[in-house]
Amino acid sequence: GDSVTQTEGLVTLTKGLPVMLNCTYQTTYSPFLFWYVQHLNEAPKLLLKSSTDNKRTEHQGFYATLHKSSSSFHLQKSSVQLSDSALYFCALSHSNYQLIWGSGTKLIIKP
Amino acid sequence: NAGVIQTPRHKVTGKGQEATLWCEPISGHSAVFWYRQTIVQGLEFLTYFRNQAPIDDSGMPKERFSAQMPNQSHSTLKIQSTQPQDSAVYLCASSLQGLEVFFGKGTRLTVV
Repeated sequence: GDSVTQTEGLVTLTKGLPVMLNCTYQTTYSPFLFWYVQHLNEAPKLLLKSSTDNKRTEHQGFYATLHKSSSSFHLQKSSVQLSDSALYFCALSHSNYQLIWGSGTKLIIKP
Repeated sequence: NAGVIQTPRHKVTGKGQEATLWCEPISGHSAVFWYRQTIVQGLEFLTYFRNQAPIDDSGMPKERFSAQMPNQSHSTLKIQSTQPQDSAVYLCASSLQGLEVFFGKGTRLTVV
């Protein structure tokens, strides 16, 4: 069945450094991928989405490119800020409107 | 647009009592989801309605959990005979056509 894999459970970085959070997926359908961010005591909210192969999508300094050849949709930022500390989920849209969620990556940014 | 509204925001129940959680999806959204989130288990899918019809309840513990969507404007998640392991944040979300999912702020359930 469809699945989403996030390999890092916890990433700790110093402010100003670049970050890449990994997301790979498996599906037999045409993929539509999402990144959601959840700050402490808040609900998850959409950060990025894409269904276009090899096209970079950006929002709030974060960017990701869907690569169908490698089934990946990694999240990147060139310089993290303290406010980027949060839980990040990768998700795949299923054909029946459901989202298949990765296990999440907790990003902690230190001063 | 007030977004997805969940009530109550916090609920404390005694072990063995019943808890009912309410969700008002965004008007016009055809899909409604329920999730449970804990530190240990992460984000767990519970159940999903589309156009008020139950589509997938594969994540629901079968014996004590039930969900309904009697009309377009609200859905309920009922937990009978609550147990301490039911303590979690329960998130409701809605979606227009299976693309962007909008979450409510959640109900934090504590079973004591």
